[in-house]
Amino acid sequence: AQKITQTQPGMFVQEKEAVTLDCTYDTSDQSYGLFWYKQPSSGEMIFLIYQGSYDEQNATEGRYSLNFQKARKSANLVISASQLGDSAMYFCAMAGYGWTGRRALTFGSGTRLQVQP
Amino acid sequence: DVKVTQSSRYLVKRTGEKVFLECVQDMDHENMFWYRQDPGLGLRLIYFSYDVKMKEKGDIPEGYSVSREKKERFSLILESASTNQTSMYLCASRLAGGGTGELFFGEGSRLTVL
Repeated sequence: AQKITQTQPGMFVQEKEAVTLDCTYDTSDQSYGLFWYKQPSSGEMIFLIYQGSYDEQNATEGRYSLNFQKARKSANLVISASQLGDSAMYFCAMAGYGWTGRRALTFGSGTRLQVQP
Repeated sequence: DVKVTQSSRYLVKRTGEKVFLECVQDMDHENMFWYRQDPGLGLRLIYFSYDVKMKEKGDIPEGYSVSREKKERFSLILESASTNQTSMYLCASRLAGGGTGELFFGEGSRLTVL
């Protein structure tokens, strides 16, 4: 079974500051992928960043980086230089590899980020 | 541009009605998924389909069924809608192999059951 835990229901950050959104996971799969999605108030799910379990380097995509600590089973999202448009719900998710291939994504409960001017 | 289209953004149904939620993708993806999203619970998997005519139960399949007769279309069926099925329903698709395995989502269907 796969499980994702996001312990921060809501967070505030000042514009231009960095913020870390926490995510821990649990899986028995040796190979897996970790994902972060953003959901603005309009409702669409926007893929932000991906980390493979065997990737040695932490993933980065523009202002987003994923702080992957495999031994601690954590995959925190770091947003640098927050912008007002970053205000949204953020979901951490994972998919392991089973005998049929990649499993469906399991999502956490989400963190609502509000960026203040 | 990749596209997952859900047939209805908003639906209001009565308890006991049969409800169809339709999802179409134009990316030739093998895998398709139905999730429901509720506040504080995140996204929970209802059903997924690895390929045409194949389906597997997710974490909360009770009260739902699915149909995948064509590769591009994945339908979610509520045989007899109940008020506890009031929720946002999200359809997604994914390539079976290669790439990151990210899901591509539709815009969601907000269902209210009265």
